[in-house]
Amino acid sequence: QKEVEQDPGPLSVPEGAIVSLNCTYSNSAFQYFMWYRQYSRKGPELLMYTYSSGNKEDGRFTAQVDKSSKYISLFIRDSQPSDSATYLCAMSAGESAGTASKLTFGTGTRLQVTL
Amino acid sequence: SAVISQKPSRDICQRGTSLTIQCQVDSQVTMMFWYRQQPGQSLTLIATANQGSEATYESGFVIDKFPISRPNLTFSTLTVSNLSPEDSSIYLCSVVRYTEAFFGQGTRLTVV
Repeated sequence: QKEVEQDPGPLSVPEGAIVSLNCTYSNSAFQYFMWYRQYSRKGPELLMYTYSSGNKEDGRFTAQVDKSSKYISLFIRDSQPSDSATYLCAMSAGESAGTASKLTFGTGTRLQVTL
Repeated sequence: SAVISQKPSRDICQRGTSLTIQCQVDSQVTMMFWYRQQPGQSLTLIATANQGSEATYESGFVIDKFPISRPNLTFSTLTVSNLSPEDSSIYLCSVVRYTEAFFGQGTRLTVV
């Protein structure tokens, strides 16, 4: 079993839709949870960062972490064609916020938002 | 934020040869990380490069195949040696600033 499982998609939605992206994990030591967005031919860039369980909202994006279920989600509201990218979840046990350096990634979900 | 310049952005190499990838960061960092991103696979950490010491390799990766240099606090190279088609992948360097990991644009390697 992989440490982090993520549906690779592709996921195709119409513009304006709400998108739900998810990852499950098996390592209970993970406490830092991140979502990265990767456009074609680019490196990943950090989208959302959450420590431990809870929700975090940033504009159209909401990240949720449920440590009891070992399940994290990223919601995108009012999706736009510019949101078309691959979304990777990443996790770290990290001894402190400054050492969230050894990341374990999901495979990434490819999202296509159509007009 | 951190600006990372990685090159080459892509290359096509003959099997049996080697490719060296360079990564330049806009400011000093203690650790630099090298990842491999295979099609349909997760980003997998190859090794952590510290300035002034040997790189630390993850399980399944060895120095003979992936030698790394870290001559100063802003620069690192990863060499993929004795190339085979299985090495065709995207290779990325990364640094961490506080809680955020920054990535270079990646090097797309195709081995023929």
